[in-house]
Amino acid sequence: AQKVTQAQTEISVVEKEDVTLDCVYETRDTTYYLFWYKQPPSGELVFLIRRNSFDEQNEISGRYSWNFQKSTSSFNFTITASQVVDSAVYFCALSEALMSGSARQLTFGSGTQLTVLP
Amino acid sequence: NAGVMQNPRHLVRRRGQEARLRCSPMKGHSHVYWYRQLPEEGLKFMVYLQKENIIDESGMPKERFSAEFPKEGPSILRIQQVVRGDSAAYFCASSPGTEYTEAFFGQGTRLTVV
Repeated sequence: AQKVTQAQTEISVVEKEDVTLDCVYETRDTTYYLFWYKQPPSGELVFLIRRNSFDEQNEISGRYSWNFQKSTSSFNFTITASQVVDSAVYFCALSEALMSGSARQLTFGSGTQLTVLP
Repeated sequence: NAGVMQNPRHLVRRRGQEARLRCSPMKGHSHVYWYRQLPEEGLKFMVYLQKENIIDESGMPKERFSAEFPKEGPSILRIQQVVRGDSAAYFCASSPGTEYTEAFFGQGTRLTVV
C-alpha cells in the first residue's frame, strides 16, 4: 500500500524567510511519480511539480526547489524568500506508474498549512 | 484550451436529497478521477473512469455513491440521500491516459449538506 506523510501540520514564517516542507512516502513500486500541489485559500488545486522515481536530480523553479532523496524516501519542497502570497496548504502526492506509462490515482498526504506573515 | 471544468462550484443540499456533481475533462482527455476532501484533510481517491467504463472504484463508499462517464457529456458523481458527513470538497482530475502527464484538477465542487 502507498502512503504519504507530511508531518508538519502548520508552519508559520515571516516574509523573506526560507521554509522547507517535508514529505516522506512509502511504496513497494519501483516506478512511481511524486507531486506537489498548492491549495490557496480560494480552494483550487494548483499543480507545482511532478518527479519520476528514476530522476533524482533536484529541481529549481524560481523561488521553489525540490529535493528528492530516494534513499530516505523523501521529496521535500523549499520556498526561498517566502512571500505572503505563498500562504496556502501544500500537498505532497504519490502515484504508481503502470506499464503503459499512464498514471493511476494519487495518494495524498494530509497537507501542510503554510502561513507567511508580513 | 479550457481546463477541467467542474460545476457547480458550490452546492447546498438538505439531508435526504440527491447531489449531482459534473466534471468535463480537458479536451482530448478520456480518463477521469474523482477525489473527496473532507474538512482539514487531504484528498482521498474515490473512483477512476474511462469513457463508459469504471476502472477502479475502490475508494467509493459502498452505498449512495455512484459515478459515470458516458460516451458523450461530462462525468457525473451522484450522491443519493445525502447526509451531513457528505459535506466536503469534491475534485475531479483528468488525463489523456496514453502517455503519462500530471493530473489536471478542476476547481472542485463544495457540497454542503444542511
